[in-house]
Amino acid sequence: QVQLKESGPGLVQPSQTLSLTCTVSGFSLTSNSVSWVRQPPGKGLEWMGAIWSGGSTDYNSALKSRLSISRDTSKSQVFLKMNSLQTEDTAIYFCTRSYVMDAWGQGASVTVSS
Amino acid sequence: DIQMTQSPASLSASLEEIVTITCQASQDIGNYLSWYQQKLGKSPQLLIHSATSLADGVPSRFSGSRSGTQYSLKINRLQVEDTGIYYCLQHYSAPWTFGGGTKLELK
Repeated sequence: QVQLKESGPGLVQPSQTLSLTCTVSGFSLTSNSVSWVRQPPGKGLEWMGAIWSGGSTDYNSALKSRLSISRDTSKSQVFLKMNSLQTEDTAIYFCTRSYVMDAWGQGASVTVSS
Repeated sequence: DIQMTQSPASLSASLEEIVTITCQASQDIGNYLSWYQQKLGKSPQLLIHSATSLADGVPSRFSGSRSGTQYSLKINRLQVEDTGIYYCLQHYSAPWTFGGGTKLELK
């Protein structure tokens, strides 16, 4: 059974770094890509970036300077790190599987506030 | 970046009605287009991939089509459980981009 689960701090201070983990099961990271998608309160979906099955990455142009996605295939985990957080980064952060995003985590709520 | 213009932004329809939502791509994206449904407080769910292929477990009243760079999601015979927000996504080239969403309500 394919599953993804996001974990991380619910509250981050402005200007600090957000670190999230996506733990997957039921599939291999070396055969599937994983994307991060976020959704600010009451707004639409935004693709943040992805790590492909071969380990390379692509990022949203608007976030590229602040964002890093990596993985540990032995632990079936994908990591998101984004620095210089601002209140506009308050959102639910999802990880999803593959090019067609056929499976999603339940989402991690992140609030940026002092 | 490829822009996806989704319309309408909101839609109110009656039970059993036929509903159509469209996404216009700013350039050719082939069939690299998916549709998702999101219910309040839930994660999005894949409905259609490759522009026209129904995802596993999705009712057959949902269908996708393509005409050039315009993509459509059609819901035949709208049901109560079809309310929610619908998004298209192009994954032809990075950065991938979503449409702005269509909020579908029952009249």
